[in-house]
Amino acid sequence: EVQLQQSGAELVKPGASVKLSCTASGFNIKDTYMHWVKQRPEQGLEWIGRIDPANGNTKYDPKFQGKATITADTSSNTAYLQLSSLTSEDTAVYYCATAWFAYWGQGTLVTVSA
Amino acid sequence: DIQMTQSPSSLSASLGERVSLTCRASQDIGSSLNWLQQEPDGTIKRLIYATSSLDSGVPKRFSGSRSGSDYSLTISSLESEDFVDYYCLQYASSPLTFGAGTKLELK
Repeated sequence: EVQLQQSGAELVKPGASVKLSCTASGFNIKDTYMHWVKQRPEQGLEWIGRIDPANGNTKYDPKFQGKATITADTSSNTAYLQLSSLTSEDTAVYYCATAWFAYWGQGTLVTVSA
Repeated sequence: DIQMTQSPSSLSASLGERVSLTCRASQDIGSSLNWLQQEPDGTIKRLIYATSSLDSGVPKRFSGSRSGSDYSLTISSLESEDFVDYYCLQYASSPLTFGAGTKLELK
């Protein structure tokens, strides 16, 4: 059974960074792209970017360049999303998803507050 | 960027009713469109991929279609668990873009 298990909620201070994880089971992430999606409170979904874990190649929505960094560790079958220089605009639930968005993680709430 | 204009933003309907949601693409996306369902607890599930292919385990009352640049999700007979949020997603061109969502409400 395919599952994506995301790390727990984070409360972080403005200006800080945070690294979220998404651990896959039931498949090998080397065989697929992994995507990250942002959802602000009571808002819609935004694509952040994706990684090809087989070679580390990434692609981002330009508006997240400099804000988000996607990496993957094939040895632990885990994808990561690092967010830097956090502001209140980054308060959101962040989801990981497999290629073609067939499977989704449960989401990680990031709250940016002093 | 490709804009996906989703309508309506909210829809009030009754049990057993047939409803259709639409996404209009600002550029050609071919068949590269998914429909997603989001539950109140945030859980997201893909219902339809490649415009009209039904995901495994998704009830047959859900269907997807295309007419030109308009993509539709139709629910043939609403059941209580269908009153949640729906989003379209185009993956033809980067950056990938979502519709703004439709909230389906029980009348």
